[in-house]
Amino acid sequence: DQQVKQNSPSLSVQEGRISILNCDYTNSMFDYFLWYKKYPAEGPTFLISISSIKDKNEDGRFTVFLNKSAKHLSLHIVPSQPGDSAVYFCAASARRTGANNLFFGTGTRLTVIP
Amino acid sequence: DSGVTQTPKHLITATGQRVTLRCSPRSGDLSVYWYQQSLDQGLQFLIQYYNGEERAKGNILERFSAQQFPDLHSELNLSSLELGDSALYFCASSVEGPGTGELFFGEGSRLTVL
Repeated sequence: DQQVKQNSPSLSVQEGRISILNCDYTNSMFDYFLWYKKYPAEGPTFLISISSIKDKNEDGRFTVFLNKSAKHLSLHIVPSQPGDSAVYFCAASARRTGANNLFFGTGTRLTVIP
Repeated sequence: DSGVTQTPKHLITATGQRVTLRCSPRSGDLSVYWYQQSLDQGLQFLIQYYNGEERAKGNILERFSAQQFPDLHSELNLSSLELGDSALYFCASSVEGPGTGELFFGEGSRLTVL
């Protein structure tokens, strides 16, 4: 049972444009959401996170939006750069239960075209 | 460099065999997590240890076991290996308690079962 879903396996965007990656979750107990970025032959690296008490968190070119009623979050990258080409994983945890383990989506491969 | 070290990076073995994957967490991190990533799948949570004790369990098969030692390094033991166990196995570590909830991942151990 996939509790975190990324329905777009891949996305291609022109350099300088906006990249929007989407993620849906089913578990109402999730209260903390993260995006990880993964390059080939490397482990996932943390990108940005958001707590369920917020609906937006921004860090430089990266912004995460959370819509709790729709159980949906998205990652916006503006402007997109070729170095952003990687696989992006959405993840969630139910920290209110005391658990820190993350549930991951299947990832979206972003390709930024120069 | 996340500070999480995993060995070996690559491992090829035959069905029915047993292997051990090793993980050294970041200095000061008490929690260790194990994840499995099969082809085109997301990261599936296997198990978490905190300061030597099992903290949470995910989709870990009975043929798999793990432990965390007094020096906080962890080992994941996979036995009676099957072709379907071929995957990337990631270890992650974190600081427990209030914080970003971020997990720091190693580069993974790629297991190939022939």
